Amino acid sequence: GAVVSQHPSRVICKSGTSVKIECRSLDFQATTMFWYRQFPKKSLMLMATSNEGSKATYEQGVEKDKFLINHASLTLSTLTVTSAHPEDSSFYICSARMLASGSVTDTQYFGPGTRLTVL
Amino acid sequence: AQSVTQLDSQVPVFEEAPVELRCNYSSSVSVYLFWYVQYPNQGLQLLLKYLSGSTLVKGINGFEAEFNKSQTSFHLRKPSVHISDTAEYFCAVSEYNTGGFKTIFGAGTRLFVKA
Repeated sequence: GAVVSQHPSRVICKSGTSVKIECRSLDFQATTMFWYRQFPKKSLMLMATSNEGSKATYEQGVEKDKFLINHASLTLSTLTVTSAHPEDSSFYICSARMLASGSVTDTQYFGPGTRLTVL
Repeated sequence: AQSVTQLDSQVPVFEEAPVELRCNYSSSVSVYLFWYVQYPNQGLQLLLKYLSGSTLVKGINGFEAEFNKSQTSFHLRKPSVHISDTAEYFCAVSEYNTGGFKTIFGAGTRLFVKA
């Protein structure tokens, strides 16, 4: 199946610093990528939808100035957590949708996630 | 979807026993339904999906699910589980509306298979 990678897999940073997480679709082009946040023992919460070449669409309650998303190419989307604080510590997961048939129901392929710990 | 409810947070079961993981949703429009599995320290993998057609959907690893529109349910079943099925399972519902295409996930069910 299609592969989506995330880098780094784990990052620890000091409060106030910025962290960039990369999401790559390795063997397909993804016009749409999604960023999720997963809290311990909780479901995935959609943060934003990223379309290549356009601004990301953020979900209600997600600060777009804090969580910067860039989808510069059909295989790469980045999430930058700016001025991170301990409450931003979480598991961030991206997914990419391969529009093989042009249908919005095409499968999402998920990355392995990035564990962010802010001290 | 307005919400997705996975009724059991944890399901312990003995190896080779059958299992059912329950999922209910609420929505005012047509939906597409998915089950994903997440193994420890890994990303989500698609088990199966319902888009249209037959309400009984077969997926990978011997799992199947049945879409019941009247009960707004999409329960996941396996007739005989293995130790390797121990993982977190997420039900997800996607719908397309004026805001675009969106997927909402349930809180997850931890399946623990005991020897």
